[in-house]
Amino acid sequence: TQLLEQSPQFLSIQEGENLTVYCNSSSVFSSLQWYRQEPGEGPVLLVTVVTGGEVKKLKRLTFQFGDARKDSSLHITAAQPGDTGLYLCAGRLRVGAGSYQLTFGKGTKLSVIP
Amino acid sequence: DTAVSQTPKYLVTQMGNDKSIKCEQNLGHDTMYWYKQDSKKFLKIMFSYNNKELIINETVPNRFSPKSPDKAHLNLHINSLELGDSAVYFCASSQPPQMNTEAFFGQGTRLTVV
Repeated sequence: TQLLEQSPQFLSIQEGENLTVYCNSSSVFSSLQWYRQEPGEGPVLLVTVVTGGEVKKLKRLTFQFGDARKDSSLHITAAQPGDTGLYLCAGRLRVGAGSYQLTFGKGTKLSVIP
Repeated sequence: DTAVSQTPKYLVTQMGNDKSIKCEQNLGHDTMYWYKQDSKKFLKIMFSYNNKELIINETVPNRFSPKSPDKAHLNLHINSLELGDSAVYFCASSQPPQMNTEAFFGQGTRLTVV
């Protein structure tokens, strides 16, 4: 069972276009993170959202956490070739008394064509 | 200075062999993880180790065993390697997971079993 569903899996767009990536779950997360992974490297954190309804902006990237803390979205405005990469959402889920686990979605592979 | 380093970066080995991947972090974190990323880029947690408490993903075969000689190291030993074990393995570390902090990843070890 996949806890976090990301869509779309693949996205190829022209430079300058806008795009949105979605991360959905039936579980409630204490927080949700977005990571970006480039080929041959490990994922690197972009943002953490904690409060339901929270919106965070990072230059041209806008992240939103759903009111019920079950879903999130990443919106990129005026995409550039440097945005190309694998975008992963990760939810922090309680797995036991005082124990939490970071669970990843399957990722969205973004290609921005010059 | 590299925060999370794992060795080797590439590992090619024959079926049936036993191999180890080493991981070290210099961030002073209490929690370390091993993730497996398959050919479809799905990042799946295998183990998390927090202050000597080991949390095992029950879907991981018992041929995989993590070993932590101290807080800064979490090595992964794999017995009787199988073709299906081919993947990229990532080590990561963070502050305790309940703190909503960033997970720092190593560069990954690409394991190819032939």
